Amino acid sequence: DIQMTQSPSSVFASVGDRVTITCRASQGIANWVGWYQQKPGRAPKLLIYSASILQIGVPSRFSGSGSGTDFTLTISSLQPEDFATYYCQQANTSPSFGGGTKVEIK
Amino acid sequence: QVQLVESGGALVKPGGSLRLSCAASGFIFSDYYMIWFRQAPGKGLEWVSYISSHGSIVYYADSVKGRFTMSRDNAKNSLFLQMNSLRAEDTAVYYCARGLHGNYGDFWGQGTLVTVSS
Repeated sequence: DIQMTQSPSSVFASVGDRVTITCRASQGIANWVGWYQQKPGRAPKLLIYSASILQIGVPSRFSGSGSGTDFTLTISSLQPEDFATYYCQQANTSPSFGGGTKVEIK
Repeated sequence: QVQLVESGGALVKPGGSLRLSCAASGFIFSDYYMIWFRQAPGKGLEWVSYISSHGSIVYYADSVKGRFTMSRDNAKNSLFLQMNSLRAEDTAVYYCARGLHGNYGDFWGQGTLVTVSS
């Protein structure tokens, strides 16, 4: 099974900050990575798929990059509505998720 | 607009069975893979199962293989998850999602809570 190691597990940031979250796959998965945002009590929302493709309706301050084993989600200028938990997902065989990153107010 | 509504969650004893349903609307259901995910209380996300658009291909996570059965009724725009031999570790909110490029969930339901406890 492919393991996804996500870091950091939490980050404290202010509105306007640039935030970067990383995921490392235990083996190469090309660009089979998605990123989700989840707010408390709500279902996850797909932000990015295939490592770098922005899902329809997602603000352009979100971006994704990477291939092979190392992947990154970047929020270029954090907005109040972006405080949430973020998960990476490998969508190759037997999909799996990273442990999550909680973005909290500094 | 795309809507997915799960139902069927309940409190069940270990070893028991439960059938979850997901009613889909707002898109051509038979064109899409569908996925079940789950999230244990206070924990992260877990992929459970996915099914191809016509139901001929189904894959399961190792944690549920042999106990859960995913199926669909395209005539009724409905998705199902039959869960047998339930364990305490199956306690979670179960989400159905529409598949994008197979295994990404681009639209999710609100979830239904399954609690396995004596």
